[in-house]
Order: sequence, then C-alpha cells, then structure tokens
Amino acid sequence: EAGVAQSPRYKIIEKRQSVAFWCNPISGHATLYWYQQILGQGPKLLIQFQNNGVVDDSQLPKDRFSAERLKGVDSTLKIQPAKLEDSAVYLCASSSTSPGSSIFGQGTRLTVV
Amino acid sequence: SQQGEEDPQALSIQEGENATMNCSYKTSINNLQWYRQNSGRGLVHLILIRSNEREKHSGRLRVTLDTSKKSSSLLITASRAADTASYFCATHPGGSNMLTFGGGTRLMVKP
Repeated sequence: EAGVAQSPRYKIIEKRQSVAFWCNPISGHATLYWYQQILGQGPKLLIQFQNNGVVDDSQLPKDRFSAERLKGVDSTLKIQPAKLEDSAVYLCASSSTSPGSSIFGQGTRLTVV
Repeated sequence: SQQGEEDPQALSIQEGENATMNCSYKTSINNLQWYRQNSGRGLVHLILIRSNEREKHSGRLRVTLDTSKKSSSLLITASRAADTASYFCATHPGGSNMLTFGGGTRLMVKP
C-alpha cells in the first residue's frame, strides 16, 4: 500500500515569501490532516478535512495560512507571507475513519530565513 | 494548548532494559493512541487503546489506560537501539475529530 506522499521534502525561503506544500493521502482515506511540528515539540493540528470539506481549522492562522482539498483527494497548504516562526516540519496525515489511527507522510521541512 | 503531556521528556536507557513513558490528558476521550517518530521522519502509529480497555499488547509494547486518572503508559520491553525515537500520545479530546498530540518523550537506547 502506498503511503502518504508529501512534497517537497525540504524548502528554504526568505521571510515574506510564499510557499506551498502538497499532500497526496492514502487512496480512499476521507480524512486528511495538516500538522505543524516545531523542533522539539509535538505536532499541532492546523486543519482537518473530511472529503473536500473543512471539519476544523480553529488553529490555522488564517491571515497567512490557507489550505484546500478541492476534489477530496490531494491537498495543498500555503503560507503567504512566511515569517521566521513558521520554520517547522509540516506533516500531512490521512485516515479512513475519524476518529481513528492516522497514516503520516514524511513531512516537509520548512526553513524561513 | 496540548491535550496530552508525556513524562519524562527524555529517557536514556541501555539496550535490553525496559522503557516506560507516561501520558496524562485533560478531557474525556474515546481512545488514546501512541505514535513513534524517528529523527527527521514522519510519525508511525503504534497502538490504539479504547476508553473501555485497560491494557493492550502489541509485540514488545504494552499500553495501559486509567480513565479515572486520565493517564496512560507505554512500556517497551527488552529495548533495542532501533527503538531510539520520540514517542507521542494522542487523543481526540472530548470526542472531537481533532487528533491532539502531547509534547513527546525522547527515548535513547544505548547499545
């Protein structure tokens, strides 16, 4: 079974620039999550999709972060403009049921300089 | 804020010893999950224990859940160097759909 695919694996940008991350979940998984993991901390949920609808985005900084899952499959997470404190690993996960166990991608490590 | 808090934050043991990590949470839950994260990698689901279960085993892993104390423990028996990783507990607080993680325990197993 193919895992959750994320790209890119690494990204370095200057502050105030824009960046986008892509996630392809496990085939058939209706629930998709984006997490932000700052070094030394646990993952923090940013947004949760059920198919192409948003279930929870209460912790998403909406002034600069946006996410979409237009066809209920792939998802993109965008930061515009980036700040230094956005440096983190952005993890995508999917699950067939919610609540239930999730399958995580390898993550995208973002460095904002 | 984080729902779960792991204890200790860091643990260093010798290969062959047992490792115990604890997790405390704040609100009612339907289940509690444990994940492992190797350095620079994504999280791997280890085990899920439901609120009506008290203990669960999977290979060298043993998880307990005490809902009256709002706490869980993860025991790794006969540890190996390959068990070196960060371990996180995660819950859906208050039955919500949000999977919320604790800060993790960083385990180092010395060969």
